[in-house]
Amino acid sequence: QVQLQESGPGLVKPSEPLSLTCTVSGGHISSNYWSWIRQPPGKGLEWIGYIFYTGTTSYNPSLKSRVTISVDTSRNQFSLKLSSVTAADTAVYYCARARLEWSSGYYYYMDVWGKGTTVTVSS
Amino acid sequence: QSVLTQPPSVSAAPGQKVTISCSGSSSNIGNNYVSWYQQLPGTAPKLLIYENNRRPSGIPDRFSGSKSGTSATLGITGLQTGDEADYYCGTWDSSLSAGVFGGGTKLTVL
Repeated sequence: QVQLQESGPGLVKPSEPLSLTCTVSGGHISSNYWSWIRQPPGKGLEWIGYIFYTGTTSYNPSLKSRVTISVDTSRNQFSLKLSSVTAADTAVYYCARARLEWSSGYYYYMDVWGKGTTVTVSS
Repeated sequence: QSVLTQPPSVSAAPGQKVTISCSGSSSNIGNNYVSWYQQLPGTAPKLLIYENNRRPSGIPDRFSGSKSGTSATLGITGLQTGDEADYYCGTWDSSLSAGVFGGGTKLTVL
């Protein structure tokens, strides 16, 4: 059974980059899409983006200028980098396995989620 | 402001049925498939429904999904206190080329 675990610093200073890693266990990172989603305190879910194991990416237009998602198939990990953070980037960050296919419309959903990691942006 | 619109809250008594709506547009719900997620307090979201109306293994048939036009609905029958959670709809938006979620609906089982 595939499991995901986020890791990274829980505190980031304003204007610095936020970097998180998601480690995939119980399965291989190949042949799947992998997503990052975040949830500010007391608010709803916000999609950040996805990466396919080949390196193809798609990002939330509102974050696109600051987001990079990368994959390391040798380590079975994928990563998120968000540059120039502000207090508005304080959130619980989740990694998830995503399904994306097209058949008379797009199927896109996240079927396996990590437990999430809290990132606070503060000096 | 979420791309998909959900009511902020719904409530019903134990044993009753409740529905949660999710409204979008032709660029998302109207032409793509909808998923639903349950987020119990303090936990990560869990997939409840995918491809409009399919349930992952282990999800009871008390949970159902449907779609009509640019709206989708999650139905929960035989409500239990353990169903108290936030529920989110999600889909792909072809105009944005991005995943999108609803703002979430808090279910209270009175």
